[in-house]
Amino acid sequence: GQSLEQPSEVTAVEGAIVQINCTYQTSGFYGLSWYQQHDGGAPTFLSYNGLDGLEETGRFSSFLSRSDSYGYLLLQELQMKDSASYFCAATGSARQLTFGSGTQLTVLP
Amino acid sequence: EAGVAQSPRYKIIEKRQSVAFWCNPISGHATLYWYQQILGQGPKLLIQFQNNGVVDDSQLPKDRFSAERLKGVDSTLKIQPAKLEDSAVYLCASSMDRGGTDTQYFGPGTRLTVL
Repeated sequence: GQSLEQPSEVTAVEGAIVQINCTYQTSGFYGLSWYQQHDGGAPTFLSYNGLDGLEETGRFSSFLSRSDSYGYLLLQELQMKDSASYFCAATGSARQLTFGSGTQLTVLP
Repeated sequence: EAGVAQSPRYKIIEKRQSVAFWCNPISGHATLYWYQQILGQGPKLLIQFQNNGVVDDSQLPKDRFSAERLKGVDSTLKIQPAKLEDSAVYLCASSMDRGGTDTQYFGPGTRLTVL
């Protein structure tokens, strides 16, 4: 099985940079994904790391270190619309996802 | 391209009643997933289909939950009888099944309240 840990809440101001960490304990780990979910909305895909290192997609970057069982999501130039829950999710051997409990990001003006 | 469709969006039932949810995945997506998301938690996989075969149903409470994906397209998830702890959002997702990233696309979910 797999379990993931991430902080429950993070607060930052508009324009700032925030990092959301995720540690995992897994068997059959294939990669780490990040999803964003606004209140009442569906989770939407942000980023995937199948290999160690940094993946950059616009204002969002994600990092994975398999040796440390650790990853993070970096959000730059924060905007009010980035206020949402962010989930890390481990991909298993059949491409099934195991989600963490989520980090509620609040962006202040 | 149309997204994942789910219905109903909301459902309120009393405990011990039965309920069914419907999902239509993105056209051409071979893999379909049902998740349960309890308030304040991450989605938990209930069952994964590839075409019309079950890949993983290890976390499906089979004494009360059932799911099917006839013809490898639409899927239904049923709860019978419902318990108070089944109150949650039930999310359906689909993916193309190309391997690698294999992004999952989620539907809007069905919010179930069991009284």
